[in-house]
Amino acid sequence: GAGVSQSPSNKVTEKGKDVELRCDPISGHTALYWYRQSLGQGLEFLIYFQGNSAPDKSGLPSDRFSAERTGGSVSTLTIQRTQQEDSAVYLCASSSPGARNEQFFGPGTRLTVL
Amino acid sequence: QQQVKQSPQSLIVQKGGISIINCAYENTAFDYFPWYQQFPGKGPALLIAIRPDVSEKKEGRFTISFNKSAKQFSLHIMDSQPGDSATYFCAARSNDYKLSFGAGTTVTVRA
Repeated sequence: GAGVSQSPSNKVTEKGKDVELRCDPISGHTALYWYRQSLGQGLEFLIYFQGNSAPDKSGLPSDRFSAERTGGSVSTLTIQRTQQEDSAVYLCASSSPGARNEQFFGPGTRLTVL
Repeated sequence: QQQVKQSPQSLIVQKGGISIINCAYENTAFDYFPWYQQFPGKGPALLIAIRPDVSEKKEGRFTISFNKSAKQFSLHIMDSQPGDSATYFCAARSNDYKLSFGAGTTVTVRA
């Protein structure tokens, strides 16, 4: 079956512009996560959605970052007024509640802010 | 602050050798410790995981050793192969969903 998909795979933008990154989770997965992976760093948790519950936004680094999940499926991460330090790979993962609640990751969107 | 500390940052091993990656944590609320493998241009994929009620778990050539009292765990890759060349991340999870990742170890297996 299809895994987690993300688009675009690469995004180059100019400082100050807004960007939207999209994630399509695995069908039937109720949980969705966004992470940021900077060069040489581990994955940094950004936000978590679970069903209709209020999202856990505790990892968002500033109010320029926001995310939505429509209809319990597709999610969009929006970064407003991008800065050079926002350059990173943004990874999305989804999971289904179960014994391990294993998170399945998409291939990521590489964002470069010039 | 990084809740899971991982070392080394990189390692090179000969084909057939053993790769060892170490991780340490402080938060005793962590109750699930997965390892992820990531190839260039791909997202991380779950490799093997352990819960703190066991001291060792083996799956094929990959073994996790877990020391609860020392709050340390490690990944051993036995008989390392060139196809194992990747970046490996340890992680720890509490409250059923939030993963805290180590900084990653880039493993290069020389043929």
